[in-house]
Amino acid sequence: NAGVMQNPRHLVRRRGQEARLRCSPMKGHSHVYWYRQLPEEGLKFMVYLQKENIIDESGMPKERFSAEFPKEGPSILRIQQVVRGDSAAYFCASSPTRTSARIQYFGAGTRLSVL
Amino acid sequence: TQLLEQSPQFLSIQEGENLTVYCNSSSVFSSLQWYRQEPGEGPVLLVTVVTGGEVKKLKRLTFQFGDARKDSSLHITAAQPGDTGLYLCAGEGAGGTSYGKLTFGQGTILTVHP
Repeated sequence: NAGVMQNPRHLVRRRGQEARLRCSPMKGHSHVYWYRQLPEEGLKFMVYLQKENIIDESGMPKERFSAEFPKEGPSILRIQQVVRGDSAAYFCASSPTRTSARIQYFGAGTRLSVL
Repeated sequence: TQLLEQSPQFLSIQEGENLTVYCNSSSVFSSLQWYRQEPGEGPVLLVTVVTGGEVKKLKRLTFQFGDARKDSSLHITAAQPGDTGLYLCAGEGAGGTSYGKLTFGQGTILTVHP
């Protein structure tokens, strides 16, 4: 069984460009979570999505960041007009149901570097 | 805002020694997870504890959830070099609006020397 797949594993962008991070959850999982890990810091919750719904986006910066999980295809975390402070590892996790949301399986992450 | 304080931040020990990592909060959590993360990889779930006072064992690892569900500990017996890594605790908040929103501690970097 494939685990949570994230791509790309590494992404380099120049300031002002857009970054698109993709996450395919584990088979049978319909709940996706995004976390950000800044250097020397722990993981911080960003957003929780179910298919076609944003359940909790309380950890998302108010500007430039958006996330979606369409009916078909992977979940996308989009960062517009990236700045150096966006450089971090972005992790996606998935769980099968809402009531098992505490059991989250993580992907290997996307390491974003903004030049 | 729920916070998890993890200690120690760094731990360097010799093979065969025992160690304990602590995770503390002033908030109540409905569950607490322990993860291990290797460099360049995502966190891998080790255990979930749900009931206050619960103790779970995974080979040489013993996990405990505090009676009040505000704290947890990870104890490793006879550490081996293969235990080297970053250990993270993460809590799921109590209350319906906290589903899926894990709060992570800052992690403990464990190094076990042969």
